[in-house]
Amino acid sequence: GAGVSQSPSNKVTEKGKDVELRCDPISGHTALYWYRQSLGQGLEFLIYFQGNSAPDKSGLPSDRFSAERTGGSVSTLTIQRTQQEDSAVYLCASSEPTGNTEAFFGQGTRLTVV
Amino acid sequence: GNSVTQMEGPVTLSEEAFLTINCTYTATGYPSLFWYVQYPGEGLQLLLKATKADDKGSNKGFEATYRKETTSFHLEKGSVQVSDSAVYFCALITSGTYKYIFGTGTRLKVLA
Repeated sequence: GAGVSQSPSNKVTEKGKDVELRCDPISGHTALYWYRQSLGQGLEFLIYFQGNSAPDKSGLPSDRFSAERTGGSVSTLTIQRTQQEDSAVYLCASSEPTGNTEAFFGQGTRLTVV
Repeated sequence: GNSVTQMEGPVTLSEEAFLTINCTYTATGYPSLFWYVQYPGEGLQLLLKATKADDKGSNKGFEATYRKETTSFHLEKGSVQVSDSAVYFCALITSGTYKYIFGTGTRLKVLA
């Protein structure tokens, strides 16, 4: 696609429910990233994919968080048993695999846990 | 490890004022440096970048020069507009790595 697409743009969920956030990267970008941005905060790295593999999951806050990527394209970030502290904007980005190039960001998914 | 330090915000300026947002970095190897801008309610957009020492990135009247000797990449604009109000993030990535390192962001508010 022309840019990184994320869905939904907004999600309100009840505490304890599971949510899935989707990211569709730029075609041909093998590197994909998930970041979290809490209100007034910077960007917190969650996970990195190269193709379908996730060599670095070190940023996932707990075992309630998981992510997968299929076909080297679409990625899904799943949060199980959501908590209020999970409320944030979840940003997805993709880039070419060569390094030293810019990452392209989606518009983000604003998650609110009530 | 690699890190990026940005000046604390918020920065409030009058329209047509001169803007500087400081950014310094710590990195092994030779990083590429970026400035991203986030307008209210939107994702991050690349504003400018520089990939080697003494390079100057520029876009929309903004400039930043890659200074290896001072490990800095300060963002400047000669005359800001109300539409420049946003959060600005400095970032780096080093060759052979995959993780973009972001600063904490600096909020700019420009008053008419």
